Amino acid sequence: GESVGLHLPTLSVQEGDNSIINCAYSNSASDYFIWYKQESGKGPQFIIDIRSNMDKRQGQRVTVLLNKTVKHLSLQIAATQPGDSAVYFCAGRAGNMLTFGGGTRLMVKP
Amino acid sequence: DAGITQSPRHKVTETGTPVTLRCHQTENHRYMYWYRQDPGHGLRLIHYSYGVKDTDKGEVSDGYSVSRSKTEDFLLTLESATSSQTSVYFCAISDPGQGETQYFGPGTRLLVL
Repeated sequence: GESVGLHLPTLSVQEGDNSIINCAYSNSASDYFIWYKQESGKGPQFIIDIRSNMDKRQGQRVTVLLNKTVKHLSLQIAATQPGDSAVYFCAGRAGNMLTFGGGTRLMVKP
Repeated sequence: DAGITQSPRHKVTETGTPVTLRCHQTENHRYMYWYRQDPGHGLRLIHYSYGVKDTDKGEVSDGYSVSRSKTEDFLLTLESATSSQTSVYFCAISDPGQGETQYFGPGTRLLVL
């Protein structure tokens, strides 16, 4: 989530399984959220976004769920593939600024 | 990387020397941003620009300055580099007319000895 520690939490999943990555945000004024994927040595890559007036949004193999009551969003990846291995982090917008979470490392076991 | 290039991609410098990083975009996006990424901190905004010659400070602006003389270029300058500025620097772009997402460049890895 937006509060980060020194070590990235890691999610290890079997290839073909579904993955769920969670993010908690602290600013109740956040009205727009983005999930990014970052592979080693590369810049963050946009995956999917959601506005605060929505609860769910689906893309190709990915779904984002937003629960404003508890200030939580999740990224679901269906049929996880080895190419999905990366660090995933959420970002929330309040005003003009994005605030980024520390990220979760997803490891896909073949 | 959404038509964004950063240069140099890697740089090693010594404490006290000036360093300028360049971000170049071909998307004609209005907004440009400089972030730094450090273990345990996630991405933190240094400065951003909302138009040519229009810039503002972000969360961690001390020790950094920026300039934007053309839509496509956004420069980040470390006037006198310190070891605490060793980091990976990312440029991002966005445009209100093309959605709200920020798109990132490939990053510049800076080591200050």
